[in-house]
Order: sequence, then C-alpha cells, then structure tokens
Amino acid sequence: DQQVKQNSPSLSVQEGRISILNCDYTNSMFDYFLWYKKYPAEGPTFLISISSIKDKNEDGRFTVFLNKSAKHLSLHIVPSQPGDSAVYFCAEFGYSGGSNYKLTFGKGTLLTVNP
Amino acid sequence: DAGITQSPRHKVTETGTPVTLRCHQTENHRYMYWYRQDPGHGLRLIHYSYGVKDTDKGEVSDGYSVSRSKTEDFLLTLESATSSQTSVYFCAIARASGRAGEQYFGPGTRLTVT
Repeated sequence: DQQVKQNSPSLSVQEGRISILNCDYTNSMFDYFLWYKKYPAEGPTFLISISSIKDKNEDGRFTVFLNKSAKHLSLHIVPSQPGDSAVYFCAEFGYSGGSNYKLTFGKGTLLTVNP
Repeated sequence: DAGITQSPRHKVTETGTPVTLRCHQTENHRYMYWYRQDPGHGLRLIHYSYGVKDTDKGEVSDGYSVSRSKTEDFLLTLESATSSQTSVYFCAIARASGRAGEQYFGPGTRLTVT
C-alpha cells in the first residue's frame, strides 16, 4: 500500500497565479516531509521541507502546509512562473530500521505554468 | 552541485547480461542511495549504503546488488538484466543523516534492456 499519495498526475496554471500541489500520507510516524522538483533529463532537486512539529514552512515563493489531523500536506507556489514547470514529488522521511532513515516518494505531479 | 557523477549516462543492453552502474561522489558523504524512476511509480529506493561495506535493501531490491568498497563509489549491479529493469536510475547522497531527508541527486543513467 502506497504510503505517500499524490492523486493529481498533472496541474496546469497561468503565470502569476497560485499553484497548489497536494500530497496525502498514511504513516503518522515520520520526522519530515519534503518536496523535490525534477526537470526532464535531470536529477531531482530538493525544494523545501517541513518537520512533524510544524504546520507551515515558507521559503520565498514556496510554502508548505502540513495538516496532521487530515494527514495531508500541500505546496503553494505564489506567484507561479514558467520556470516552475516541472514534476514535483512529495516525500516522507522516516525511520527504516537500525540507525537508518529513508525517503519514501509519491508518484509525482507534473506542473505546467502557462505564460 | 554536490559533486555526484553517474556512469554511464546511457546504456542499451540485452536481456540476461550483467550490468554495472557507477555512482561517484567527491565530497566524502557517508550516505548513498540508488533509486529507479518509472512512469506511474515515482522514485523507488533500490538499495542504500550508510558507510563502506554497509548496505541495505530498499523497496525494489530484487534482481539488484550493490557494493561500496570506497566512500566515494557506490556500484549498482543488475545480475541478469530483464526488460522490467528498463528505467532511469538515480544515485543520491545525503550530506548528514540529521539533515532530515535532504538528498542530492546525480544526473541519472537511462538503461534500456532489449
């Protein structure tokens, strides 16, 4: 059973508007959630994270919200720019046994920002 | 730039042949990871390493083995390649286990098994 779900495979928005990408999770025993961005033919790059003790984290145009009661997190991009067009993955960081931790990724959402 | 290179960047091989992909880092980080990315599946962890000669399995480890004899190199071997292993493979490093999941990825290797 998938632990981290991104139910929207794609999202299209106009330049200057808000983009909202969503992620649901099942495991409550996590330390952090993270968002990664991936352009075609490149490796993913870390974008922003949020710890389990917070409900919001902001970095410039990017804000991540965590709703623990709903087991839901979202990434807001304001204002959206054409260069934001990419695949966005949410990922859960948690304990994997021994003294080790690992990331579990969602399937990704393709964001297209139209000029 | 986290100083991660992957080789080869592209490879076409035949079913049943062994294949080794190499990940090289220049910054001496302890944690290294191999993922595969497939349409409809996102990124899935194959194997990871938390030090020289210390490795462990991820969620899709069947048909793969890894080795880490030096801090800077993490090798992924497909023992007998199958068409289901056609994928894009990414290596990643973590700068410290306490950095809460921030991993830095290489450029990827596109592998096609015919």
